[in-house]
Amino acid sequence: GIQVEQSPPDLILQEGANSTLRCNFSDSVNNLQWFHQNPWGQLINLFYIPSGTKQNGRLSATTVATERYSLLYISSSQTTDSGVYFCAVGSGNTPLVFGKGTRLSVIA
Amino acid sequence: GAVVSQHPSRVICKSGTSVKIECRSLDFQATTMFWYRQFPKQSLMLMATSNEGSKATYEQGVEKDKFLINHASLTLSTLTVTSAHPEDSSFYICSAKTGSGKETQYFGPGTRLLVL
Repeated sequence: GIQVEQSPPDLILQEGANSTLRCNFSDSVNNLQWFHQNPWGQLINLFYIPSGTKQNGRLSATTVATERYSLLYISSSQTTDSGVYFCAVGSGNTPLVFGKGTRLSVIA
Repeated sequence: GAVVSQHPSRVICKSGTSVKIECRSLDFQATTMFWYRQFPKQSLMLMATSNEGSKATYEQGVEKDKFLINHASLTLSTLTVTSAHPEDSSFYICSAKTGSGKETQYFGPGTRLLVL
């Protein structure tokens, strides 16, 4: 099955800093989603981005499908950005396969 | 739009009992729902795919007799953990596709199960 690798596994940032999270995947996909899992476990859907670039406030994402990677940018990080960021991919009608996540801690 | 709910949000039960978890799509019809399990500090692992009106498809290593899935309607899927044991303690999350051609999966808030 498709493999998803996320990096870095852990990241500590000072409030106000910028960061880039990476997601590599092993096969062609027609679904790629970025999630933020909050401390209560809720998955917040950040982007549906199988290709191209999208922006939402301080967050933006880019997927280069031909090179099988996606990037999530967080600018001017805030303590509320802390949590785990997951990349998940799917192809055809298959369900999403999740990477292991990046655990982000933003300190004041 | 595209809201998915789960009930209960958390449950504590004694070893040997059965626990039912409900997953509902509140504002759309979901022909396909998925059940995931997440252990502490780990990623989400797919357990099964649930299609309305047909038997669920289970991932390798997931016991279908232990984790009973019923997708009785286009807005409801249930997961029953039968004869639960402490090792079944986990965070169970369901998701659903809108079925409108978009591939986006929407996730419920999860159910935290603790088996004593």
